[in-house]
Amino acid sequence: DIQMTQSPSTLSASVGDRVTITCRASQTIGSWLAWFQHKPGKAPNLLIYKASNLESGVPSRFSGGGSGTEFTLTINSLQPDDFATYYCQHYSGFPFTFGGGTKVEIK
Amino acid sequence: EEQLVESGGGLVQAGGSLRVSCAASGFTLSTYAMNWVRQAPGKGLEWVSTLTVSGGSTYYADSVKGRFTISRDNSKNTLYLQMSSLRAEDTAVYFCARHDYMDVWGKGTSVTVSS
Repeated sequence: DIQMTQSPSTLSASVGDRVTITCRASQTIGSWLAWFQHKPGKAPNLLIYKASNLESGVPSRFSGGGSGTEFTLTINSLQPDDFATYYCQHYSGFPFTFGGGTKVEIK
Repeated sequence: EEQLVESGGGLVQAGGSLRVSCAASGFTLSTYAMNWVRQAPGKGLEWVSTLTVSGGSTYYADSVKGRFTISRDNSKNTLYLQMSSLRAEDTAVYFCARHDYMDVWGKGTSVTVSS
């Protein structure tokens, strides 16, 4: 099974900061990677699919990159609404797996 | 508007069974692969199961294989997860999600397994 490792697990940042979250796959997954934002008590929200494609309606300050085994999610100019937990997920064959999550907190 | 609404969660004793549902609106559920994902209290997201577009293939996490069954009723545009031999570690909020890259999610239904 493919393991997804996210880092850091927690990130403290201020409004206006640029933040980057990393996701590493235990074996190559091409570009079959998605990123989600999740807030307590709500449905997760797709941000990025196929590693770098911005989902419709998602602000352009979110961007994704990488391929193979290393991927990044970058948030330019962090906004108050962005404080949440972020997950990567591979869909390169079964079983699908999620990363452990990165909680973005207010510094 | 494309929407998924889960229902059927509740409190069940260990060893018992429960079926949760996911009703789709605004799109035809059978034209997409569909997934169940869960989140245990204080934990991250965990993929549980997928039903392919054709409905001919099902996939399960090792943690639920042999105990859970995913299915759909095209006439009701509804996805199901039949859960049996439930364990305390199955306690979670269960979400349904559309497509391999999960572009549409429901708000979840809570399942609590008491030991």
